[in-house]
Amino acid sequence: AQKITQTQPGMFVQEKEAVTLDCTYDTSDPSYGLFWYKQPSSGEMIFLIYQGSYDQQNATEGRYSLNFQKARKSANLVISASQLGDSAMYFCAMRLSNFNKFYFGSGTKLNVKP
Amino acid sequence: EPEVTQTPSHQVTQMGQEVILRCVPISNHLYFYWYRQILGQKVEFLVSFYNNEISEKSEIFDDQFSVERPDGSNFTLKIRSTKLEDSAMYFCVQGIRETQYFGPGTRLLVL
Repeated sequence: AQKITQTQPGMFVQEKEAVTLDCTYDTSDPSYGLFWYKQPSSGEMIFLIYQGSYDQQNATEGRYSLNFQKARKSANLVISASQLGDSAMYFCAMRLSNFNKFYFGSGTKLNVKP
Repeated sequence: EPEVTQTPSHQVTQMGQEVILRCVPISNHLYFYWYRQILGQKVEFLVSFYNNEISEKSEIFDDQFSVERPDGSNFTLKIRSTKLEDSAMYFCVQGIRETQYFGPGTRLLVL
């Protein structure tokens, strides 16, 4: 069975500091993709970053990077230089092969303090 | 960048009423999904639709739910007789591989 686990229901970070949001996953399928989404209080899901299971390098998108440790089945999101606008819920998700559904974690609520 | 759109953005309905949520997909994408998110909880898969047929559905997607493509382009999610526990945000999603497009969601409140 496929599973995504986010063990941090809430996190605080000081503005301009870096923060790591944890995500572990479980699958026996060798081909999968890992995603991070941001959900502000308005409710929309904003795509942040993607990592494929066969990608050799960790994904980066601006201030976001994904610390992919395949052997440990972890895909932590690192946000550098936090901004007040980063305060939101963050969801880790996994998809198997090319066309299957998402499996979502329970989310982490990030609060950035001024 | 292409966008998936959803209407209405918000809907309030009485328990037992039928609701229809609509999604305008990006053209040329064959795979289409509906998800829901009860307030404060994780996003849950409802149903996937491929080539005008349901390809997979979750245990949540019971006989009260249906999906259609009434005019060959737009997609609808119908809840025949709403329950209080159907109150949630409903997302339609399209995409392939790492490119996934979430619609903005419809926030449904059942009273």
